[in-house]
Amino acid sequence: IAGITQAPTSQILAAGRRMTLRCTQDMRHNAMYWYRQDLGLGLRLIHYSNTAGTTGKGEVPDGYSVSRANTDDFPLTLASAVPSQTSVYFCASSDSTGGGADTQYFGPGTRLTVL
Amino acid sequence: GQNIDQPTEMTATEGAIVQINCTYQTSGFNGLFWYQQHAGEAPTFLSYNVLDGLEEKGRFSSFLSRSKGYSYLLLKELQMKDSASYLCAVTDSNYQLIWGAGTKLIIKP
Repeated sequence: IAGITQAPTSQILAAGRRMTLRCTQDMRHNAMYWYRQDLGLGLRLIHYSNTAGTTGKGEVPDGYSVSRANTDDFPLTLASAVPSQTSVYFCASSDSTGGGADTQYFGPGTRLTVL
Repeated sequence: GQNIDQPTEMTATEGAIVQINCTYQTSGFNGLFWYQQHAGEAPTFLSYNVLDGLEEKGRFSSFLSRSKGYSYLLLKELQMKDSASYLCAVTDSNYQLIWGAGTKLIIKP
């Protein structure tokens, strides 16, 4: 079934540890995005990639890094996790080269708790 | 700054009609999306408006007034499975999606 997969589904992490959240899509979409979703707040963009080989910073990029080595994969890395990074993380993709007017399709999310 | 406002929570009765409003102030406008998100799940696309007027899709309709910075999502013949959060999002002049905090819709029998 075509779509976006994320791993892990959930994770409890000690503060200071490094963590990579994985995201893979098989729709051959050009653009991919990482969001965090916190209670009472809208989805906030962390990083995005308009096409393989390029990345950009979103609204809340500090403490996170991404890479886009190929079309399908867009991992998000927390170099040294802090409790404020406790959140639900969603990966999304769209069939565009950065034009946000294209529909974004979301993965199932990763629930991350940093203690 | 950029801002999207929608009610935090609404309650409606099964079989009834509910209207969820969204007002926005953004730097530029390139379209407005509505997404549905069930608890513990990912957001899923419902509708997209870029021109003024009403877009109808089955039981769901979405309206846009660009001059007023206003949209609404209309849900008819409510079913229990419509209990979810409804997210309004606007594409700004940089083609970034700005998201509202969402409206939690509770359907009662």
